[in-house]
Amino acid sequence: KQEVTQIPAALSVPEGENLVLNCSFTDSAIYNLQWFRQDPGKGLTSLLLIQSSQREQTSGRLNASLDKSSGRSTLYIAASQPGDSATYLCAISNFGNEKLTFGTGTRLTIIP
Amino acid sequence: NAGVMQNPRHLVRRRGQEARLRCSPMKGHSHVYWYRQLPEEGLKFMVYLQKENIIDESGMPKERFSAEFPKEGPSILRIQQVVRGDSAAYFCASSPIGREGGYTFGSGTRLTVV
Repeated sequence: KQEVTQIPAALSVPEGENLVLNCSFTDSAIYNLQWFRQDPGKGLTSLLLIQSSQREQTSGRLNASLDKSSGRSTLYIAASQPGDSATYLCAISNFGNEKLTFGTGTRLTIIP
Repeated sequence: NAGVMQNPRHLVRRRGQEARLRCSPMKGHSHVYWYRQLPEEGLKFMVYLQKENIIDESGMPKERFSAEFPKEGPSILRIQQVVRGDSAAYFCASSPIGREGGYTFGSGTRLTVV
């Protein structure tokens, strides 16, 4: 059974800093991994999708990496802005089924 | 493209009533997934449907919950005889070809049982 952990549960950093969010998983037989952000009371916005065969994906100030052998993914946010404040969720799809297994998220606060 | 549309956004039901949550997938998407987010918990998979077929319902509670995705119209998640523990945010996601292209989520329906 896949288990997904995100540490820390909460993170506060000053505006302008670069930061890294972590996601670890127990079953390395993943199909793909997707990072989402969730704003309070809102839905999920997809940020990056990494296929099993890929090592990283980039979109603007965001870069996500995947290391299946160590069971880890990181989301790197460059030059953080107050608008980046949200909960960031890591979700994994494994071979054999279509469901996503979510981590419990990291609540990020960017301090102006 | 309006994205994944869920309605209502907020739903209040008294204990014992029925709740019907609707999800219209993105245009061209034929795969629909329902997830539940209980207070202070992560999102949990409930059910995966394609048109007129339930593909995986391994996350659905055994009683009172049902889902459908008819040939025409939105997908419906139905909860009969709601209890306080059903209070949660229910999210729908869709994809065009299964998980290969990732999933697009709706804004959710927040169900409150009083």
